[in-house]
Amino acid sequence: QVQLVESGGGVVQPGRSLRLSCAASGLTFSNFGMHWVRQAPGKGLEWVAIVRYDGTNEYYADFVKGRFIISRDNSKNTLYLQMNSLRAEDTAVYFCARDFGTGYVLDYWGQGTLVTVSS
Amino acid sequence: QSALTQPTSVSGSPGQSITISCTGTSSDVGGYNYVSWYQQHPGKVPKLMIYEVSDRPSGVPDRFSGSKSGNTASLTISGLQAEDEADYYCSSYAIGTTLVFGGGTKLTVL
Repeated sequence: QVQLVESGGGVVQPGRSLRLSCAASGLTFSNFGMHWVRQAPGKGLEWVAIVRYDGTNEYYADFVKGRFIISRDNSKNTLYLQMNSLRAEDTAVYFCARDFGTGYVLDYWGQGTLVTVSS
Repeated sequence: QSALTQPTSVSGSPGQSITISCTGTSSDVGGYNYVSWYQQHPGKVPKLMIYEVSDRPSGVPDRFSGSKSGNTASLTISGLQAEDEADYYCSSYAIGTTLVFGGGTKLTVL
């Protein structure tokens, strides 16, 4: 079965960087686009970014453009999110999710990793 | 990239039907047939319930249905059951190759 396992979360000071990883198994990883979605404590879902199946294109939500970079290594079945210049408002659980294929449908989700930005 | 508008909460009794609306613009909901709905129980991972406005993934009961008219999409749950109590989020593909979520609706089964 499809499994997505995020890692790399933790407590980080404002202005610092953090890299999240999402290890995929049970699927042909290189066939699917992959997303990052976040959820602040007690709040709703917020889309962060998508990377195409082959890593050739990435698209971002406006609030992370220029600060976050989504990437993937298909040889390692792993998705990444490099987060720079972190702010308190970036505090959230970050989920990776598989793209169904069309229209940005997220059909499999990881359990999430918590990022806390605090001094 | 403004969030789609959902009611904060809805409620219904077991066996009844409820509908959750999701209002966007012509740049997202109204412009594409790529509206999805997700169910999230407290402390759990979101689960895809409806995609492409009205299609159900395998394993989702046919009590769940979706529709769209203009800039507003809707999720209807018929024959409400206790386990349906959860938060529900709509999402839509949006112009600029992005995705936008609704603010979420808390469904209470009375």
